[in-house]
Amino acid sequence: NAGVTQTPKFQVLKTGQSMTLQCAQDMNHNSMYWYRQDPGMGLRLIYYSASEGTTDKGEVPNGYNVSRLNKREFSLRLESAAPSQTSVYFCASSEVGLGYTFGSGTRLTVV
Amino acid sequence: DAKTTQPTSMDCAEGRAANLPCNHSTISGNEYVYWYRQIHSQGPQYIIHGLKNNETNEMASLIITEDRKSSTLILPHATLRDTAVYYCIVRVTNAGNNRKLIWGLGTSLAVNP
Repeated sequence: NAGVTQTPKFQVLKTGQSMTLQCAQDMNHNSMYWYRQDPGMGLRLIYYSASEGTTDKGEVPNGYNVSRLNKREFSLRLESAAPSQTSVYFCASSEVGLGYTFGSGTRLTVV
Repeated sequence: DAKTTQPTSMDCAEGRAANLPCNHSTISGNEYVYWYRQIHSQGPQYIIHGLKNNETNEMASLIITEDRKSSTLILPHATLRDTAVYYCIVRVTNAGNNRKLIWGLGTSLAVNP
C-alpha cells in the first residue's frame, strides 16, 4: 500500500514563481490536510479538506491555495513564492476514529 | 483547544522501556490524546490514541491518569529505530472539527546502545 504520496520530494523556486504540490492517498479517507514544518516549530496546518468538495483554512493559509480534485487528490498551490515559504510541506489524510497518515514530505526552498 | 507540555529530550537504553510523559491539564471531556512520532525528518507516524482508558497496540501502550490531566506513552522494549521526536497531541472530536491538531515541539527520544 502506498498510503499518502507527495510529489515532488524536493523543489527550489525563485521568488515570485508559482508551483503546485501534489498529494494523493489510496486509503479512501475522507479528510486531507496540508501542513508546513519549520525548524524549531511544530507542524502548522495550512489548509484542510474534511470531505471531497470542501476546503477550509487552517492556521497559516496566507499565500496558498488548495484544490480537492477528487477523493484521492489534494493539491497545494503557491501562486507567488516568497522566501518565507521555504519549509517542509506534509500532506496527510485521515478517517473518523483513525490517526492521520502522512506523506514523506516536500522540501521547498525559495531563493 | 488544550495544549500539551512535554520534556524537550529523553534518553533510554536499548531494550529497556521508554516512558514518555505528557501534561494536558486543560483537556476537555471530549478531547482525545494522540501520540505521533517523527523519525529524522520523515512524515509523522501515528502511534496510538485514547480518551479515558489505557490503550495498547503493537507499537506502544498509553496510560492516561484518572483526571486525564496527564498521560504516558510506553515503548516496552525500545530499539535504536525508536529514536525519534514524539508528539503528544490533544484533539477535539466534534463532528466536522477534527482538524485542530496543535503540534508542539515534542520530546526528542534518543535510544542508546
